[in-house]
Amino acid sequence: DQQVKQNSPSLSVQEGRISILNCDYTNSMFDYFLWYKKYPAEGPTFLISISSIKDKNEDGRFTVFLNKSAKHLSLHIVPSQPGDSAVYFCAATGTYKYIFGTGTRLKVLA
Amino acid sequence: NAGVTQTPKFQVLKTGQSMTLQCAQDMNHNSMYWYRQDPGMGLRLIYYSASEGTTDKGEVPNGYNVSRLNKREFSLRLESAAPSQTSVYFCASSPISYNEQFFGPGTRLTVL
Repeated sequence: DQQVKQNSPSLSVQEGRISILNCDYTNSMFDYFLWYKKYPAEGPTFLISISSIKDKNEDGRFTVFLNKSAKHLSLHIVPSQPGDSAVYFCAATGTYKYIFGTGTRLKVLA
Repeated sequence: NAGVTQTPKFQVLKTGQSMTLQCAQDMNHNSMYWYRQDPGMGLRLIYYSASEGTTDKGEVPNGYNVSRLNKREFSLRLESAAPSQTSVYFCASSPISYNEQFFGPGTRLTVL
């Protein structure tokens, strides 16, 4: 039973355009959501998070949107850069347990 | 400030052998976690320690044990390794719950 789903295994975007990565969750008890970025042979690094009391959070080129009624969140990267090419994981938590999605591999084409 | 460190970086075991993966953090974080990453499966939580002195099972605890040795260190033990435990293992820490986690560089384990 996958509580956090990233249905797109991969995404290719032209440099300078917007990248939109999506994540769905099923557990209504989740109230804090995070996005991580992972390069090969490295540990994931934190990008941005959002609490369930908000519907949007911005940090520079990264914006996370949360739609609680649809149990859906998305990460927007504008403008996309070649250095953004990595695997992106969304995660959700309602306690100390963090549940991760399966990841989306983003490739930004120069 | 090294962040989260993991040893070893690579390990090859034979089926039935035991080993302990070590993790340490120098950020004075309360919570620590062990994950495994398998192709197509994302990161799955094995065990976590919300605070020093406590440990709890995650999504996939079978075949593993953990020890929160002190606030800094959280080890993961495989008592009798199986090929299904071939994976990349990540340790992470966070100051408290509802907070970002800081990950170590990972341990790539192969069980033959």
